[in-house]
Amino acid sequence: AQSVTQLGSHVSVSEGALVLLRCNYSSSVPPYLFWYVQYPNQGLQLLLKYTTGATLVKGINGFEAEFKKSETSFHLTKPSAHMSDAAEYFCAVSDSPQAGTALIFGKGTTLSVSS
Amino acid sequence: DTAVSQTPKYLVTQMGNDKSIKCEQNLGHDTMYWYKQDSKKFLKIMFSYNNKELIINETVPNRFSPKSPDKAHLNLHINSLELGDSAVYFCASSQADRYSYEQYFGPGTRLTVT
Repeated sequence: AQSVTQLGSHVSVSEGALVLLRCNYSSSVPPYLFWYVQYPNQGLQLLLKYTTGATLVKGINGFEAEFKKSETSFHLTKPSAHMSDAAEYFCAVSDSPQAGTALIFGKGTTLSVSS
Repeated sequence: DTAVSQTPKYLVTQMGNDKSIKCEQNLGHDTMYWYKQDSKKFLKIMFSYNNKELIINETVPNRFSPKSPDKAHLNLHINSLELGDSAVYFCASSQADRYSYEQYFGPGTRLTVT
């Protein structure tokens, strides 16, 4: 069965500092990996995704993530944090592009950014 | 121009009542989902539909019944509401073609059962 582990339920950084949110997955087949962001009282917005091809993927708002198969990881990074990045971040995995396949989510990481 | 919309955004009701949450997507997708986010923000799939056909039906009490009148709509009806049903319910949609796997989420419906 697939699973996602997000290390650190809460990450605090200063504005301008590097953001690193960790995600490890478990999947018996090549995974499809996603990072979503949820701002307070809003829905989930896709930041980036890995399906096939280049293992370093770039997303919106300056975020990027690298798929490392040997480490079963898909960590999310941003070189310089902005106050507006404060939100809840979810890593998710899917094992198939087949219609109706569910996303399996991690428990989320709350990112706080201080000035 | 909202891609995935849900109504209502907030729903407060008493135990034992029956309520419905509506979801509509204007993305032309053929697959729709319901997810539940609990008080600890953990998201879990409840149902998925593809072309109006039920694909996933996770271990959800049969008090929950999804209904898909057409590809653009997936409604969630809940009978005999219980305190434990309090959560945020998200609708999502996707088009599982070769190049696109992501799911697009609605704004959520916060259900509070008192």
